[in-house]
Amino acid sequence: QKEVEQDPGPLSVPEGAIVSLNCTYSNSAFQYFMWYRQYSRKGPELLMYTYSSGNKEDGRFTAQVDKSSKYISLFIRDSQPSDSATYLCAMSPLLFNDYKLSFGAGTTVTVRA
Amino acid sequence: DVKVTQSSRYLVKRTGEKVFLECVQDMDHENMFWYRQDPGLGLRLIYFSYDVKMKEKGDIPEGYSVSREKKERFSLILESASTSQTSMYLCASSLSGNEQYFGPGTRLTVT
Repeated sequence: QKEVEQDPGPLSVPEGAIVSLNCTYSNSAFQYFMWYRQYSRKGPELLMYTYSSGNKEDGRFTAQVDKSSKYISLFIRDSQPSDSATYLCAMSPLLFNDYKLSFGAGTTVTVRA
Repeated sequence: DVKVTQSSRYLVKRTGEKVFLECVQDMDHENMFWYRQDPGLGLRLIYFSYDVKMKEKGDIPEGYSVSREKKERFSLILESASTSQTSMYLCASSLSGNEQYFGPGTRLTVT
């Protein structure tokens, strides 16, 4: 069993829809949870990170962590074609732990105009 | 802006060839990383380096070696390329305790 599971999709939604992305994990030591966005032919870039359980909002993006269920989510409201990308979850026992990031496989999202 | 550059975007090599992948960062970061990215498997860490001439194995170091002679440059070496090493290779760098910045990737095909 992988340490981090993420549905690879692909996910296709119309512009303006809410996009819901999820990851589950097995390691209860994970404390920090990150979402990376990767555009086609580019490297991943950090989108958001959260600590422990709870919600974090940044503009149209909301990250949720439920440590009791070992489940994290990313919601994109009012999705735009520019949100079309692959989204990877990542997690770590420590914030920005330099060599212990565990990544999900990534979910490819297409937002149709 | 942090810039991480990789020497090639696309590379095609034959089985048994020695392959060098170069990565350069321009922000004086101590840490540098090499990952490979495969469909369904996500990013997997091959090697990382936290200082010049220092290196540590990641999760999948077999078949790879690295070199870091200068702070800004981190090279990944495939001593004898195999078809199983066909993949996207991503380099990243970071200041200790801060987020990793990724390069654009090198898509390597071994035939």
